[in-house]
Amino acid sequence: GAVVSQHPSWVICKSGTSVKIECRSLDFQATTMFWYRQFPKQSLMLMATSNEGSKATYEQGVEKDKFLINHASLTLSTLTVTSAHPEDSSFYICSARPSPGSGANVLTFGAGSRLTVL
Amino acid sequence: AQSVAQPEDQVNVAEGNPLTVKCTYSVSGNPYLFWYVQYPNRGLQFLLKYITGDNLVKGSYGFEAEFNKSQTSFHLKKPSALVSDSALYFCAVSAINNAGNMLTFGGGTRLMVKP
Repeated sequence: GAVVSQHPSWVICKSGTSVKIECRSLDFQATTMFWYRQFPKQSLMLMATSNEGSKATYEQGVEKDKFLINHASLTLSTLTVTSAHPEDSSFYICSARPSPGSGANVLTFGAGSRLTVL
Repeated sequence: AQSVAQPEDQVNVAEGNPLTVKCTYSVSGNPYLFWYVQYPNRGLQFLLKYITGDNLVKGSYGFEAEFNKSQTSFHLKKPSALVSDSALYFCAVSAINNAGNMLTFGGGTRLMVKP
């Protein structure tokens, strides 16, 4: 079945540094990927929609200059948390929507990346 | 705007008993409906979906869900719960005209299955 890999699964960084999280579709092409953020004991909040070869579409209230999204290929999207602060600590999850004709037909989620900013 | 409500923060059930996790939705037009499960510190795993067709949808791990258009509900069920079913369950909806692009999640329901 369709698999989405996220890396790293855990990351601890100092305040003020930047962290990059990768989301890869391993066995299918994904024209569109989504980035979510999940706070403890809460639901997923869509941050942005990432489209291959174009700029990401951010949800209201999400700072695009802070959360940089790049979708340079049909199998890779990256989320960079710039100048991270403790309030950015969260669980970040990506999902990938298969491109038409790729064989997969359901939104597939990565395992998530837990970011802790000290 | 579309929305999903999961009225129960937590559902407790004894192993071997049937379980139900409730979900109601609001969407313009016909919905795509999904259930996902999340184990601790993990991402979401797809359980099942309703697009069209039979109102009763069967999914992974013995779970099923019934689409009820008049009640705008999509409750998740399993005839006999296992301790290993203990996890966080999310219901999600998307309008068909969004082709699954805009998923809105419910707040999640924690299922606790006790031996």
